[in-house]
Amino acid sequence: DAGVIQSPRHEVTEMGQEVTLRCKPISGHDYLFWYRQTMMRGLELLIYFNNNVPIDDSGMPEDRFSAKMPNASFSTLKIQPSEPRDSAVYFCASSLGPRNDKYFGPGTRLTVL
Amino acid sequence: SQQGEEDPQALSIQEGENATMNCSYKTSINNLQWYRQNSGRGLVHLILIRSNEREKHSGRLRVTLDTSKKSSSLLITASRAADTASYFCLTSSSGNTPLVFGKGTRLSVIA
Repeated sequence: DAGVIQSPRHEVTEMGQEVTLRCKPISGHDYLFWYRQTMMRGLELLIYFNNNVPIDDSGMPEDRFSAKMPNASFSTLKIQPSEPRDSAVYFCASSLGPRNDKYFGPGTRLTVL
Repeated sequence: SQQGEEDPQALSIQEGENATMNCSYKTSINNLQWYRQNSGRGLVHLILIRSNEREKHSGRLRVTLDTSKKSSSLLITASRAADTASYFCLTSSSGNTPLVFGKGTRLSVIA
């Protein structure tokens, strides 16, 4: 398996634009997590899915953020409209179970100007 | 939600020395995991220790768990420059409570 795949690796956009981040988890992993990392706040859990169903989205900062998982091999995190304070590295991770070790993707570095 | 807190926040040592990082948590756990993050990369799982285990080894890594003190330590022996990274602990409990990382320990190994 190629591991968790994220795209794009880097995204630079202007304030107000829509941003879509993509993730392909490891095949067979039932759990998918979206994290955001900044120097100020560290790693924040935004949302996680179990078998494509969102279980807890309490970490999603605002209504501007939304996440979907239309099938077991694909998830998106969308920010609309984007703001400069959304600039961060966004990681996707997957695991077999909620307490199993997580496999992280390489992350998407988002810069909102 | 569960959250481990790593200590110290930053650690700088010479190559060949041992590095010890600690993690404290507040509630009962099912297991505790340690991760490493190299600059600009995603986190990599290092080792998992279950609540009924007291010590675990993996290569140059040694993890201990003291559930009575709600703490864990990660020891890296004979450190190398390549061990320079941030190290995070992650605690998990029974049920589907969200799993939250602490702020991490930044380890610098100087050649």
